[in-house]
Amino acid sequence: KQEVTQIPAALSVPEGENLVLNCSFTDSAIYNLQWFRQDPGKGLTSLLLIQSSQREQTSGRLNASLDKSSGRSTLYIAASQPGDSATYLCAVVPPPGNTGKLIFGQGTTLQVKP
Amino acid sequence: DAGITQSPRYKITETGRQVTLMCHQTWSHSYMFWYRQDLGHGLRLIYYSAAADITDKGEVSDGYVVSRSKTENFPLTLESATRSQTSVYFCASSDLGGILSTQYFGPGTRLTVL
Repeated sequence: KQEVTQIPAALSVPEGENLVLNCSFTDSAIYNLQWFRQDPGKGLTSLLLIQSSQREQTSGRLNASLDKSSGRSTLYIAASQPGDSATYLCAVVPPPGNTGKLIFGQGTTLQVKP
Repeated sequence: DAGITQSPRYKITETGRQVTLMCHQTWSHSYMFWYRQDLGHGLRLIYYSAAADITDKGEVSDGYVVSRSKTENFPLTLESATRSQTSVYFCASSDLGGILSTQYFGPGTRLTVL
């Protein structure tokens, strides 16, 4: 059974710092991996989607990498800002893939202090 | 241009009552999903649908029923609500459903079962 883990559960950093969020998964047979952001009391917003054949994706200050063989993904946030404070969730699409079903980690709650 | 909406946003009900949570999307996405989010468990898939009149169970489907008579609507019914179904429920939709597409989430419904 696929399991997704995110460590740490919470992280606090000063503004301007570069930081890395970690995601690990137990079964390397995934179709894609996605990173989401969730603000308190809100729904999820998609940040990046990495297909299984890709190694990384970038959007603005965000860079996500994927290493299927080791079952790991990282989300790199450059020059963090207080507006980046949120919970970040990673999720994988396991086989058969065509259903799009996501298996989520429990998230890392990030606080960026001014 | 609402995107994906959920109603009600908040609901309090009593044990044993039937409750229906509504989800509506304006994109004509083929795939729709219901998740529940609980502390300690993260987001877990309840049901998903690949198209109108096609639905399938997710990880935690016991006690829930869905229907999809129209592409844009995907209601979730709790047949006889239990306290363990107190949770935040998220609906999501996706155009391709599988490898290439992300999911777009609604704002959530916070359900309390007394």
